[in-house]
Amino acid sequence: GAVVSQHPSWVICKSGTSVKIECRSLDFQATTMFWYRQFPKQSLMLMATSNEGSKATYEQGVEKDKFLINHASLTLSTLTVTSAHPEDSSFYICSARDSWGSSYNEQFFGPGTRLTVL
Amino acid sequence: GENVEQHPSTLSVQEGDSAVIKCTYSDSASNYFPWYKQELGKGPQLIIDIRSNVGEKKDQRIAVTLNKTAKHFSLHITETQPEDSAVYFCAASINAGGTSYGKLTFGQGTILTVHP
Repeated sequence: GAVVSQHPSWVICKSGTSVKIECRSLDFQATTMFWYRQFPKQSLMLMATSNEGSKATYEQGVEKDKFLINHASLTLSTLTVTSAHPEDSSFYICSARDSWGSSYNEQFFGPGTRLTVL
Repeated sequence: GENVEQHPSTLSVQEGDSAVIKCTYSDSASNYFPWYKQELGKGPQLIIDIRSNVGEKKDQRIAVTLNKTAKHFSLHITETQPEDSAVYFCAASINAGGTSYGKLTFGQGTILTVHP
């Protein structure tokens, strides 16, 4: 089946630093990837939609200059949290659609990245 | 935009019993309704999905029903087992197909606990 990986699985950083999270589709190509944020005991909230070769589309209330998204290839999207603050501590999850697969509706989720900002 | 409401927030059942989780959605244009299981510290895993041209879908112990008129869909788990314990999320999206993307709107989640 389709597999999505994320790296790192967890990261601890100091306030004011930047952190990059990678999302890879391992056995399929994805023109579209999604980034979600999940706070403890809450649901997944879509942050942005990442399209290969073009600018990401951010959801209302998500700062595009703080959460930089790059989707340079059909198998890799990155999320960079710039000038991180403790309130950015969360579980970040990516998903990807198999653009040419038979189940084009389905999103395959990565295992998530736990970010803790001290 | 789309709004998805999910109930109950917690559900506790005995092993072997059935569990039912219900969701309602607001946008009549939504046409894809997946259900996800999320274990602690992990990403969501698709367990079953249904498209708007189908009223019911079943996969072994799991089934999903969709009522487009009422705009609600439900997850049914029969013969529950302790390993079914997890958080379950419903979601809804509008999908146009091909390379078009469809944003998922998630429900609030249901914590299912199956007691041995």
